[in-house]
Amino acid sequence: DQQVKQNSPSLSVQEGRISILNCDYTNSMFDYFLWYKKYPAEGPTFLISISSIKDKNEDGRFTVFLNKSAKHLSLHIVPSQPGDSAVYFCAARARNAGNMLTFGGGTRLMVKP
Amino acid sequence: NAGVTQTPKFRILKIGQSMTLQCTQDMNHNYMYWYRQDPGMGLKLIYYSVGAGITDKGEVPNGYNVSRSTTEDFPLRLELAAPSQTSVYFCASSYTDQPQHFGDGTRLSIL
Repeated sequence: DQQVKQNSPSLSVQEGRISILNCDYTNSMFDYFLWYKKYPAEGPTFLISISSIKDKNEDGRFTVFLNKSAKHLSLHIVPSQPGDSAVYFCAARARNAGNMLTFGGGTRLMVKP
Repeated sequence: NAGVTQTPKFRILKIGQSMTLQCTQDMNHNYMYWYRQDPGMGLKLIYYSVGAGITDKGEVPNGYNVSRSTTEDFPLRLELAAPSQTSVYFCASSYTDQPQHFGDGTRLSIL
């Protein structure tokens, strides 16, 4: 039973355009969400996060949107750059569960020059 | 600035062998974690620790053991390697409620 799902295994985008990566969750106890980026042969690196008290968080080219009623979040990258090509993982943390994360399966983003 | 260091990077084991995956962090984080990532899947939590001397099971602990005798080190032990334990293993650390920092992983094959 996957509590965090990334339904698109891969996404291809032209350089300069917007990349939109999606994530759905089922556990209503999740109150904090994170996106991690992973290059081959490296560990995941933290990218951006959002608390359930917000519906948007922005950091430079990266914006995360949270729709609590739909249990859906998305990561927007504008403009996309070839260096953004990586696997992106969505993760969620439940309240009263310490700092334990539940990860989605990842989406491979390819940004074409 | 080393961050989270995992050794070895690659290892091939025979069924039934044992080994220890090493993890050390130099950020003085109180929390440490072990995950495994199977092909095309997300990371699954094996064990975690909220401080020296304290460990607890995650989602997939069977076949593994951990210890946390110091703040810096959190080794993961496989006692009787099985083919189902072929995976990439990631160690991570964090302060309480802060994003986790990951090592670069250990790729383990069991034949």
